[in-house]
Amino acid sequence: EDKVVQSPLSLVVHEGDTVTLNCSYEVTNFRSLLWYKQEKKAPTFLFMLTSSGIEKKSGRLSSILDKKELFSILNITATQTGDSAVYLCAVTPYGQNFVFGPGTRLSVLP
Amino acid sequence: GAVVSQHPSRVICKSGTSVKIECRSLDFQATTMFWYRQFPKQSLMLMATSNEGSKATYEQGVEKDKFLINHASLTLSTLTVTSAHPEDSSFYICSAAKGEQSRSYNEQFFGPGTRLTVL
Repeated sequence: EDKVVQSPLSLVVHEGDTVTLNCSYEVTNFRSLLWYKQEKKAPTFLFMLTSSGIEKKSGRLSSILDKKELFSILNITATQTGDSAVYLCAVTPYGQNFVFGPGTRLSVLP
Repeated sequence: GAVVSQHPSRVICKSGTSVKIECRSLDFQATTMFWYRQFPKQSLMLMATSNEGSKATYEQGVEKDKFLINHASLTLSTLTVTSAHPEDSSFYICSAAKGEQSRSYNEQFFGPGTRLTVL
């Protein structure tokens, strides 16, 4: 059975801290892994990762995939209160639909 | 816990037909269910929010008469795409929330999605 596990499920930090969110997966015929940020309505797309070892960056956020160890991390440096959200990891196996993880709830305190 | 299923996982239909997609929370009661549509570049657009026993709240630009949502029970919501056209071809994802309605946007559990192809 395909599954995605995220850790921690909840995290509280102070502004300026750096955080690392983890996503591990077990799927057959892996195609891609996606990270989303959900604050209010629809989750906002952050990254799509398909190849191991290639870091993707967007401002203070970065992510990398390890297809051998079956995990991905999402890093956020110099966190701000606006980074408070639920971060979702999803995997798309070939020929199948999404498998979402439970999300990590990040709270950044001033 | 907190498993959400969708059925069917993929459907192909002819233009003009209607298609019903089911979203079920398997091991919890969902106070609120959400329907999303995935657009290119992986973005998810919220289409509507439904609460059990009441009418769905549609987002701006989403046609209520085209995308019929029924939330008949705390574990089932359905999305019916009426008179489907090729431009309705997309990936539809539902999610279910078991928290309080005011917090439900960030208490969601997502289904696997349904890929709709309209010929």
